[in-house]
Amino acid sequence: AQKITQTQPGMFVQEKEAVTLDCTYDTSDPSYGLFWYKQPSSGEMIFLIYQGSYDQQNATEGRYSLNFQKARKSANLVISASQLGDSAMYFCAMREGHSGSARQLTFGSGTQLTVLP
Amino acid sequence: DAGVTQSPTHLIKTRGQQVTLRCSPKSGHDTVSWYQQALGQGPQFIFQYYEEEERQRGNFPDRFSGHQFPNYSSELNVNALLLGDSALYLCASSFPSGTTGELFFGEGSRLTVL
Repeated sequence: AQKITQTQPGMFVQEKEAVTLDCTYDTSDPSYGLFWYKQPSSGEMIFLIYQGSYDQQNATEGRYSLNFQKARKSANLVISASQLGDSAMYFCAMREGHSGSARQLTFGSGTQLTVLP
Repeated sequence: DAGVTQSPTHLIKTRGQQVTLRCSPKSGHDTVSWYQQALGQGPQFIFQYYEEEERQRGNFPDRFSGHQFPNYSSELNVNALLLGDSALYLCASSFPSGTTGELFFGEGSRLTVL
């Protein structure tokens, strides 16, 4: 079974509008972490935001927020006020287990976001 | 503050050859992980090194091997290259006991096998 599912291969958004990128996950571990990374055409994976499974509030980082719905096992990324520079591939990833150990991340297949002027 | 650096950035090999990719972690980081990203897919975990030992390994054959040096830099070696090994190879560094397990990635080494 897929551990991380991103069902939107491509998304388009108008500049200055908000966009939501979907991510669902599957784990039986009560302790886990969810990440979103941005990958521009240069190839580097850029960390955007993190949500721990025990965090009570949704994570926010500037224009990025994570809509964490634990019962539905979803961790959608919301980008507000989109900018042309936001055009990139976006990956959702999960770490299973306690954050105190450096464990591997499992990535989804990604969503290609294009911001239109 | 230097981030994660990888070399070479691009390389072309033929089937059956061997390749070595190199990675220097972000300053202060002591754990290095390697990921393979095929075209159009998400990265897949190969292995992780800490204290010069392989600590975790993903579902990759023994043709993939690695090493970590005392200065925390790392190498990824792939023997007997196959066409399917063509991919972007990403190196990531972290602290083993970081608060989130966040990984810091380099820009990758793009390997083409002909």
